[in-house]
Amino acid sequence: GDSVTQMEGPVTLSEEAFLTINCTYTATGYPSLFWYVQYPGEGLQLLLKATKADDKGSNKGFEATYRKETTSFHLEKGSVQVSDSAVYFCALSSGTYKYIFGTGTRLKVLA
Amino acid sequence: DAGVTQSPTHLIKTRGQQVTLRCSPKSGHDTVSWYQQALGQGPQFIFQYYEEEERQRGNFPDRFSGHQFPNYSSELNVNALLLGDSALYLCASSLLGLASGELFFGEGSRLTVL
Repeated sequence: GDSVTQMEGPVTLSEEAFLTINCTYTATGYPSLFWYVQYPGEGLQLLLKATKADDKGSNKGFEATYRKETTSFHLEKGSVQVSDSAVYFCALSSGTYKYIFGTGTRLKVLA
Repeated sequence: DAGVTQSPTHLIKTRGQQVTLRCSPKSGHDTVSWYQQALGQGPQFIFQYYEEEERQRGNFPDRFSGHQFPNYSSELNVNALLLGDSALYLCASSLLGLASGELFFGEGSRLTVL
């Protein structure tokens, strides 16, 4: 069945450091790919998405590119801030609103 | 515009009891999905409701059941609670057929089973 694998955390970075959180997937067909973020005490919020191969999703300085050849959707940000501290989830959907989530990666950014 | 609202936010039950969780979808949305998020894990799909019917179901036992009302709100019921049912239960709403496929999540109901 479909699955998502993302790097384990926690990831601890200093402010203004470069961030990469790896995500790979297995799926039949051509899924849509998402990154969701969960701040402490809050629900999941969509961060960015890509619906077809080579699409780049971007939002709030975060980017991820849908790579079909490597089945990856890695999340990157050039300069993280303390306010980016949260748990990040990679997810896929094969068009039926049944999302498959990764286990989440906790990011902690130090001032 | 109200987003997805869930109630209660926290609750404590004992093994064997039954629980009902409630969800109001984002205005204009017609589809509600429920997810279980165990501590330190990603959300796991329980089921999805559209037009008051269960459309899809994840790998959860029949103790988990749901309902969708004509106003699109939804309930999740769990019978014969087990310790392992302790988790954050997330409701997500969407608009069927919307190409973006985005889900909007509530803040969740945290269930503790003692």
